[in-house]
Amino acid sequence: NAGVTQTPKFRVLKTGQSMTLLCAQDMNHEYMYWYRQDPGMGLRLIHYSVGEGTTAKGEVPDGYNVSRLKKQNFLLGLESAAPSQTSVYFCASRKQGAGSGYTFGSGTRLTVV
Amino acid sequence: GENVEQHPSTLSVQEGDSAVIKCTYSDSASNYFPWYKQELGKRPQLIIDIRSNVGEKKDQRIAVTLNKTAKHFSLHITETQPEDSAVYFCAASLGSARQLTFGSGTQLTVLP
Repeated sequence: NAGVTQTPKFRVLKTGQSMTLLCAQDMNHEYMYWYRQDPGMGLRLIHYSVGEGTTAKGEVPDGYNVSRLKKQNFLLGLESAAPSQTSVYFCASRKQGAGSGYTFGSGTRLTVV
Repeated sequence: GENVEQHPSTLSVQEGDSAVIKCTYSDSASNYFPWYKQELGKRPQLIIDIRSNVGEKKDQRIAVTLNKTAKHFSLHITETQPEDSAVYFCAASLGSARQLTFGSGTQLTVLP
């Protein structure tokens, strides 16, 4: 039982390049989320999913796309990376039902130069 | 949407003293309030949570109180130890997926 696994852990991109961050969970959780964490700003929600085949926008969705083709995977894509997307990205999942807490992945540190 | 404000942004206490971190939220429909601890370079870890039908919850040295009328909740850590040093985040849950909105964090330093 690995919990929530994020790949890669680190990445450096050049402005304009694209990449995909992968989040995988083995807990059969319905809900999955992508957050970004910047110094002094806490965690901000980018996109989330309430189940396989569904996605929705969070607080800061611009410049990102997501897909949830399989229940256990939630992919975050950057089509044309910008320096403003330099951040630490966390994936989280939780089971269905009110009041259940998140399980976070270990994070991806992305630098766009 | 929900807005969560957290204070203070930094807090230093002597080992053995108590620490209190406060958060306010804007949407009265929020019904779940977790607290996370994040050590440097690590993922956030859930340390305690409270639901809106409860006023207080305690787990050993940590406790959370909720005032729904005033829309604020607080984290209390007693008998602080150096290993309590970390960034603490509060959050409030709202929306179709009960997505969490986080406060901006409090850097707690426990001085030996």
